[in-house]
Amino acid sequence: AQKITQTQPGMFVQEKEAVTLDCTYDTSDQSYGLFWYKQPSSGEMIFLIYQGSYDEQNATEGRYSLNFQKARKSANLVISASQLGDSAMYFCAMRERGAQKLVFGQGTRLTINP
Amino acid sequence: GAVVSQHPSWVICKSGTSVKIECRSLDFQATTMFWYRQFPKQSLMLMATSNEGSKATYEQGVEKDKFLINHASLTLSTLTVTSAHPEDSSFYICSARSTSGQASYNEQFFGPGTRLTVL
Repeated sequence: AQKITQTQPGMFVQEKEAVTLDCTYDTSDQSYGLFWYKQPSSGEMIFLIYQGSYDEQNATEGRYSLNFQKARKSANLVISASQLGDSAMYFCAMRERGAQKLVFGQGTRLTINP
Repeated sequence: GAVVSQHPSWVICKSGTSVKIECRSLDFQATTMFWYRQFPKQSLMLMATSNEGSKATYEQGVEKDKFLINHASLTLSTLTVTSAHPEDSSFYICSARSTSGQASYNEQFFGPGTRLTVL
């Protein structure tokens, strides 16, 4: 069963606008971690932001914030003031407590237009 | 942050040959390393999890005899694609997990990937 779902295959946004990338997850564990990674065309996986299931506040890292809605099992990534360099693939991932592996969503290709 | 290297960054080989990809954690010790495979415009698919000094655990559908994984030390894991065929052409990414730290994001770091093309 798909544990991480990203429903937006592609997003197109004007430069300087904010963008929200959707991510929903499915788990029966109470303790888990949610991650967002950026993958530019070079292929490297760049860690952006992390949210623990017990964290009461939404995580923020610079222009990135995570809109964590636990009851809805969603962990959307918000990028404020988008830049041309934000164009890339974005992956949401989850690791359940006690598990070693990260499970990735299908990814969203974000394109920032000048 | 911690650095994971992969070598080679790209390789082209003939069908039927074997290719070895190295993954190294440069400034930390990794008890666990992961190997992912990514086809164009698709997500990362976990192939196997390797723990230092023990046999790798392969995901369902991954041929362990074709994709040989060795994790002989806390800083090195290798993936060998044996008797490679064109359908094995893909982007292979390794990831290493630190021995220290708690359940936080900074436990797992990714290498830059290796692009394999089998002719």
